[in-house]
Amino acid sequence: TQLLEQSPQFLSIQEGENLTVYCNSSSVFSSLQWYRQEPGEGPVLLVTVVTGGEVKKLKRLTFQFGDARKDSSLHITAAQPGDTGLYLCAGNEKLTFGTGTRLTIIP
Amino acid sequence: DADVTQTPRNRITKTGKRIMLECSQTKGHDRMYWYRQDPGLGLRLIYYSFDVKDINKGEISDGYSVSRQAQAKFSLSLESAIPNQTALYFCATSDRLSYEQYFGPGTRLTVT
Repeated sequence: TQLLEQSPQFLSIQEGENLTVYCNSSSVFSSLQWYRQEPGEGPVLLVTVVTGGEVKKLKRLTFQFGDARKDSSLHITAAQPGDTGLYLCAGNEKLTFGTGTRLTIIP
Repeated sequence: DADVTQTPRNRITKTGKRIMLECSQTKGHDRMYWYRQDPGLGLRLIYYSFDVKDINKGEISDGYSVSRQAQAKFSLSLESAIPNQTALYFCATSDRLSYEQYFGPGTRLTVT
């Protein structure tokens, strides 16, 4: 059983569209990280969310931590081809990673 | 220069062979981790070490062993490789105050 479930597993959209991907769990996390991984490379940290209800913005990316600290979302505005990659969420407890959302932005 | 390096980057080996994957870091972090990544299964933790004298098993430690030779070095060994250990292997580090991890470039291991 995966501690962290990510959805959708795959997402392919046109450049300029908006999208949201999700990271859900039945467990509470003290904090949660989001990473992006490109082919042939290791994951790169994007953000850490700590407080329930917290919203963090990184340019066109908006990250939210659920009030109960069991879930998180990543919203991308006006997606660009450079946003293509595998997006992974990770929870501190048990050092667990989700299975990821593979995002493709079509020019 | 990269903060976290892994060697080798690619390796093909035969069933039953012993193989070691090495990880070095210049970030000065106390904590180091080994993960494997398989399609559809994401990153799974093999072993982790919170300091030089601390070694802990992760979710999938069977068939693997590790050695923390120094703060900066953490190696992963497969004593007798088997084909289902074919995967991408990543080393990562974090400081003692957070779980924010910094990953190496990975080793692609193929066991035939």
